[in-house]
Amino acid sequence: DAKTTQPNSMESNEEEPVHLPCNHSTISGTDYIHWYRQLPSQGPEYVIHGLTSNVNNRMASLAIAEDRKSSTLILHRATLRDAAVYYCILRDYGNTPLVFGKGTRLSVIA
Amino acid sequence: DGGITQSPKYLFRKEGQNVTLSCEQNLNHDAMYWYRQDPGQGLRLIYYSQIVNDFQKGDIAEGYSVSREKKESFPLTVTSAQKNPTAFYLCASIQTGSQPQHFGDGTRLSIL
Repeated sequence: DAKTTQPNSMESNEEEPVHLPCNHSTISGTDYIHWYRQLPSQGPEYVIHGLTSNVNNRMASLAIAEDRKSSTLILHRATLRDAAVYYCILRDYGNTPLVFGKGTRLSVIA
Repeated sequence: DGGITQSPKYLFRKEGQNVTLSCEQNLNHDAMYWYRQDPGQGLRLIYYSQIVNDFQKGDIAEGYSVSREKKESFPLTVTSAQKNPTAFYLCASIQTGSQPQHFGDGTRLSIL
């Protein structure tokens, strides 16, 4: 399985932007970069995914390095509801299972 | 709205008892998955099914069994052979890897 490396934890002030990094140096050409987040006592929630180009949606932006060996999830204005564990996961175009690492625990300070 | 429904939300098991967790999806997804999450830990794969009447073991399949008789249903049975079943169980589904994976709200299983 392709591996990702994320910091264990990060902290942000409310209404400030947050940049969550992910390293994936062994990514293959067909791997999509997926981000999910899990709030306490809930199932994971899809945030965003991309292949090569940067992606934006209503929740976040995904910036992908040109060599695809790293990516950054950007929350433009953190709110208290964004406090969660964020998982960066590589997945090919098939439907093989998502493999979850430990993720990054984001704390948001009011 | 389409989604994944897991039931029950909370489940209690007596020693030596088998219990079945329900997972139903109306997303018309081919692939379905079961994960286990222990407190403070990440998700670990129990079983998955990529098509009806077929399923594969994940990393921690011992003490669990599944069936996939219908596309929309993927029940998980926690057998008495699973000695430490207390955990949060999550069901998920997906159509293809280029699309988001959907998750249910989970079932929390405890031992009486």
